[in-house]
Amino acid sequence: RKEVEQDPGPFNVPEGATVAFNCTYSNSASQSFFWYRQDCRKEPKLLMSVYSSGNEDGRFTAQLNRASQYISLLIRDSKLSDSATYLCVVLKTGANNLFFGTGTRLTVIP
Amino acid sequence: SAVISQKPSRDICQRGTSLTIQCQVDSQVTMMFWYRQQPGQSLTLIATANQGSEATYESGFVIDKFPISRPNLTFSTLTVSNMSPEDSSIYLCSVEGGSFYEQYFGPGTRLTVT
Repeated sequence: RKEVEQDPGPFNVPEGATVAFNCTYSNSASQSFFWYRQDCRKEPKLLMSVYSSGNEDGRFTAQLNRASQYISLLIRDSKLSDSATYLCVVLKTGANNLFFGTGTRLTVIP
Repeated sequence: SAVISQKPSRDICQRGTSLTIQCQVDSQVTMMFWYRQQPGQSLTLIATANQGSEATYESGFVIDKFPISRPNLTFSTLTVSNMSPEDSSIYLCSVEGGSFYEQYFGPGTRLTVT
């Protein structure tokens, strides 16, 4: 079983829509969780860390459910500039390396 | 976040040759990481490089194929040795930054082996 699993999409949504991405992780000892954004032919960039209590940054809301080993990202009022691949990333307890999901591709349509 | 540069940004190489990729950071960092992203795939960690010690390789990656140097706290190199077309990939270095084990990535080196 993969460390991190995501729905690859693609998600094609109109401007202004709300879209949600889900991610599951296999290791219950995982300690830190992130969403990264990767534009085409660019490096991944940190979008936000995911805290146990959930956190919000503008139009973006991330939530963590440790019992279900599930992470989500909600994007409200989608912009054309949100078009990218969103990577769910997990750090295991005692490890230094990040485990990346294969990413969910989002295209926001005018 | 740290500013990270990589050289070369891209290269086309013949099979059997080797390529050394450089990663430079604008601040001192303890740990640097090397990842590979094969076409259509997500990132896979190759190794972790600490200054003053041998790199730690992940399962499936060996030092003879991917030797790494870490001469100081701002610089590292990854060599892809005896290349084959299967090594065609994007190679990225990253560093820890901020809190909660966040990592920041360099722009990547796009390698094509013919």
